[in-house]
Amino acid sequence: QKEVEQNSGPLSVPEGAIASLNCTYSDRGSQSFFWYRQYSGKSPELIMSIYSNGDKEDGRFTAQLNKASQYVSLLIRDSQPSDSATYLCAVVPSGNTPLVFGKGTRLSVIA
Amino acid sequence: EPEVTQTPSHQVTQMGQEVILRCVPISNHLYFYWYRQILGQKVEFLVSFYNNEISEKSEIFDDQFSVERPDGSNFTLKIRSTKLEDSAMYFCASRPEAAQPQHFGDGTRLSIL
Repeated sequence: QKEVEQNSGPLSVPEGAIASLNCTYSDRGSQSFFWYRQYSGKSPELIMSIYSNGDKEDGRFTAQLNKASQYVSLLIRDSQPSDSATYLCAVVPSGNTPLVFGKGTRLSVIA
Repeated sequence: EPEVTQTPSHQVTQMGQEVILRCVPISNHLYFYWYRQILGQKVEFLVSFYNNEISEKSEIFDDQFSVERPDGSNFTLKIRSTKLEDSAMYFCASRPEAAQPQHFGDGTRLSIL
């Protein structure tokens, strides 16, 4: 059974702080890793994709991947109240298999 | 920016009735997916479709479910005889090629009475 684990939260951070979201996955052969943001009642929206070990930055977002530890993280710098949402970690266990989602971490940014 | 389009946004149906959920994937995408999300739970894979046939399906996707790509643009999910537990958000997703990110439609909220 291929699993993706996330702390469900809620994670509360003050406006302007760094939010750190974490995810672990069970399938060591996984190749593709994604972070989606989901507002309540809405669909998942792609935030970041990462495929190799290390950091990938896009604006206020940084994704970090450590395949040896089977660990993916998302950092959100200068957090804004509009960042308040559930963040879903998703993994593709191999090239053409579907996404396996974690339950998501609910982030609350307090103004 | 191209989008995945889903209709209807909300479908209310009596238990035992058939429903068809519709999706128009992004035009140059090759892989198509249906997922569902029961309220408060994780997004779950139902079925994937490539080259005009099902490439993978989950345990959830039993004989009550079917998918079809009747023309070059639409991708449909049919539930033949709905049950109360089919109530969920159903998301269609597509991607251009292997290992590329999937893009999701806005979803159809299915309510079974």
